[in-house]
Amino acid sequence: SQELEQSPQSLIVQEGKNLTINCTSSKTLYGLYWYKQKYGEGLIFLMMLQKGGEEKSHEKITAKLDEKKQQSSLHITASQPSHAGIYLCGADIQGAQKLVFGQGTRLTINP
Amino acid sequence: ETGVTQTPRHLVMGMTNKKSLKCEQHLGHNAMYWYKQSAKKPLELMFVYSLEERVENNSVPSRFSPECPNSSHLFLHLHTLQPEDSALYLCASSQDVGFKQYFGPGTRLTVT
Repeated sequence: SQELEQSPQSLIVQEGKNLTINCTSSKTLYGLYWYKQKYGEGLIFLMMLQKGGEEKSHEKITAKLDEKKQQSSLHITASQPSHAGIYLCGADIQGAQKLVFGQGTRLTINP
Repeated sequence: ETGVTQTPRHLVMGMTNKKSLKCEQHLGHNAMYWYKQSAKKPLELMFVYSLEERVENNSVPSRFSPECPNSSHLFLHLHTLQPEDSALYLCASSQDVGFKQYFGPGTRLTVT
């Protein structure tokens, strides 16, 4: 099993709808990063969360860190075609010497 | 973002070829990374350099050979690759190891 699990693996939503992507760790989280990737391109940094209960927003994207659940959620409000892409979570987790990544969530926005 | 650049963006090579991937960061960072992204797999860390010294090597086959001549440049030398090495290779940099990483656009490698 992976150290960092993302769900769902793929998501198709109608433009204008809200959506949530989850990232769950099997171990204690010390810091969590959300990145967005357009297919075949590099990763664009979205947000970093370091404290339990922390919540950050950037435009219509909000991310929260639930330390007790060892989980982070990424919420997009009123989705737009520009939100389409692959969302990856990366985390500093207990016992790992490096940043580990989830497998990604592919988001498609239908007009 | 142009803080981290990678060349070439696309590369097709035969199994007997030797080629190199180049990464350059213009952010004044001290740490640089090579990642491999294969289809349907999580991003895999290959190498980490801090102040031009390799600090991590995640059991990467010797057909991949990194080089970090200075803190702004990172190379990945490739030789006698296998078709399963076809992937997107991403370079990243950070202020220091453990800090937020900035990624390059990647090199799409196809081994025929």
